[in-house]
Amino acid sequence: QQQVKQSPQSLIVQKGGIPIINCAYENTAFDYFPWYQQFPGKGPALLIAIRPDVSEKKEGRFTISFNKSAKQFSLHIMDSQPGDSATYFCAGGNQGGKLIFGQGTELSVKP
Amino acid sequence: ETGVTQTPRHLVMGMTNKKSLKCEQHLGHNAMYWYKQSAKKPLELMFVYNFKEQTENNSVPSRFSPECPNSSHLFLHLHTLQPEDSALYLCASSQDGSSLGAGELFFGEGSRLTVL
Repeated sequence: QQQVKQSPQSLIVQKGGIPIINCAYENTAFDYFPWYQQFPGKGPALLIAIRPDVSEKKEGRFTISFNKSAKQFSLHIMDSQPGDSATYFCAGGNQGGKLIFGQGTELSVKP
Repeated sequence: ETGVTQTPRHLVMGMTNKKSLKCEQHLGHNAMYWYKQSAKKPLELMFVYNFKEQTENNSVPSRFSPECPNSSHLFLHLHTLQPEDSALYLCASSQDGSSLGAGELFFGEGSRLTVL
């Protein structure tokens, strides 16, 4: 019930492409869904987050789409750049609780 | 210094050694966390401290012993570790560990641990 399942495990796209990373959760008590970005040798950093009262949130080239009934959410990166190459983690959490992370997606954007 | 600082960045230890990882946050946060990051696995929460009190121990073996002397410092004491404990250990902080949804986790760069 606590798991967050993330796919794909790795993803390669060409510059300008739109990589999509998907996550599914089980715990209906989750009310906070962040995405973290991690570059090699660095700790994860918050990229964008959404709450279940909206179906989409956009910040710059990054968009979260959220489907509450399906318990799924996804990250879309528009006009991807080589500098977006990193590992992306989705997570679910709630007040008073811990964040449960997905297993990560290693994204490579080729020039 | 700003953010969350972890030392050492790399550590190699034998199974009989005793060592400690240190984390310091300069963000004025009240909650601190230890996470374990292994390849191809989700980030695993180990311990949570909120206002210096431990509020979460995620069934972590006793060979890992956390210490939080104040809201700015967090230690992870290591003894008689196993090779499978080799991983990246990440420290994080947040404004308040009881209202995670209102804030984000700020991570350090991690301590890469190798147990021989």
